[in-house]
Amino acid sequence: SQKIEQNSEALNIQEGKTATLTCNYTNYSPAYLQWYRQDPGRGPVFLLLIRENEKEKRKERLKVTFDTTLKQSLFHITASQPADSATYLCALVLRGGATNKLIFGTGTLLAVQP
Amino acid sequence: KAGVTQTPRYLIKTRGQQVTLSCSPISGHRSVSWYQQTPGQGLQFLFEYFSETQRNKGNFPGRFSGRQFSNSRSEMNVSTLELGDSALYLCASSGRLAEQFFGPGTRLTVL
Repeated sequence: SQKIEQNSEALNIQEGKTATLTCNYTNYSPAYLQWYRQDPGRGPVFLLLIRENEKEKRKERLKVTFDTTLKQSLFHITASQPADSATYLCALVLRGGATNKLIFGTGTLLAVQP
Repeated sequence: KAGVTQTPRYLIKTRGQQVTLSCSPISGHRSVSWYQQTPGQGLQFLFEYFSETQRNKGNFPGRFSGRQFSNSRSEMNVSTLELGDSALYLCASSGRLAEQFFGPGTRLTVL
């Protein structure tokens, strides 16, 4: 069966440390993978996208890796801050003819303690 | 550019009623997708519209329908509401690489 999984438990880390979130999938062949941030009661906000032929992508304090052999993406936030506390969602983008289809993970809640 | 807007932000309905939600995408974006988000199921894709045509559909019953107008604004309708339809309904317009730009959502409560 097809699955996309993120850490179901909340991730608690200390301010200043690096947060690492995991997105694993099975039986999908995504064209690329996206990461979003969602704050309570708000819509998700697009953060980063990484293509299937890219190993790593960076944007400011964010870094995403994509291993299509392991079927895994890791999302890192370096020098984390309490303001980074939110739920982070990964999404697979699947090619589907004239259009792409997105499948979202259930998200990981990150809590950064001051 | 203005972001995606959704109206209303909050709705309370009773079982059996119907509801219409509205979404205006980012100017120039022609693709609009709708999602349902609940604590148990996460973010579930409902359907996508492009140039007034539905081009993708998720696994939801026929009570959920939508449409898109020539100005790319979209509406979503849910008929015969059930308690389980209580959720955050999100609309998103798509970027060039299918990045989803979400609106603030409509919180629907069915009593």
